[in-house]
Amino acid sequence: TQLLEQSPQFLSIQEGENLTVYCNSSSVFSSLQWYRQEPGEGPVLLVTVVTGGEVKKLKRLTFQFGDARKDSSLHITAAQPGDTGLYLCAATSGTYKYIFGTGTRLKVLA
Amino acid sequence: GAVVSQHPSWVICKSGTSVKIECRSLDFQATTMFWYRQFPKQSLMLMATSNEGSKATYEQGVEKDKFLINHASLTLSTLTVTSAHPEDSSFYICSARDYPTYGYTFGSGTRLTVV
Repeated sequence: TQLLEQSPQFLSIQEGENLTVYCNSSSVFSSLQWYRQEPGEGPVLLVTVVTGGEVKKLKRLTFQFGDARKDSSLHITAAQPGDTGLYLCAATSGTYKYIFGTGTRLKVLA
Repeated sequence: GAVVSQHPSWVICKSGTSVKIECRSLDFQATTMFWYRQFPKQSLMLMATSNEGSKATYEQGVEKDKFLINHASLTLSTLTVTSAHPEDSSFYICSARDYPTYGYTFGSGTRLTVV
């Protein structure tokens, strides 16, 4: 059973469009991370959210942690081809397991 | 910042041979390390969690005797794929949990191809 479900799985949009990626779970997490991964490389941390309802911004990326700390969203404004990649949410399950969401593959067309 | 070095970055081996992948934390002590497997266009699937000086905890469905994990020091964990088969071909990534900040740092991954 995948604890972190992401939607959509795939997204292909034109440059300049906005998009939102969701990460949902039935579990409560003390914190949640978002990563972006390029092919053949390890994931790169974008942000960590800790407090329920927290909103963090990283340039054109806006991250929100759900009030109940069970879900999170990533919103990209005016997407650019450089935003293309695999976006992953991740969190600690139980006392020690660090697990990843199912992933969202984004392709931004010029 | 914290750096994790993973080697080799890619390896091709023959069926039936064993391959060892190393994961080193270069400037911090890693009390816990994680090993993931990633198939093309999919997310990272946790294979096992290892704590320094103790046996690794494997996820359901991961063969302990096939994927040997050793975490003998606070800076080094190794994953050995024994008697490799073509279906073991995948991208393997390690992650180290930094002590004392408890952040996660990832290696750059190892592309294993078994022919």
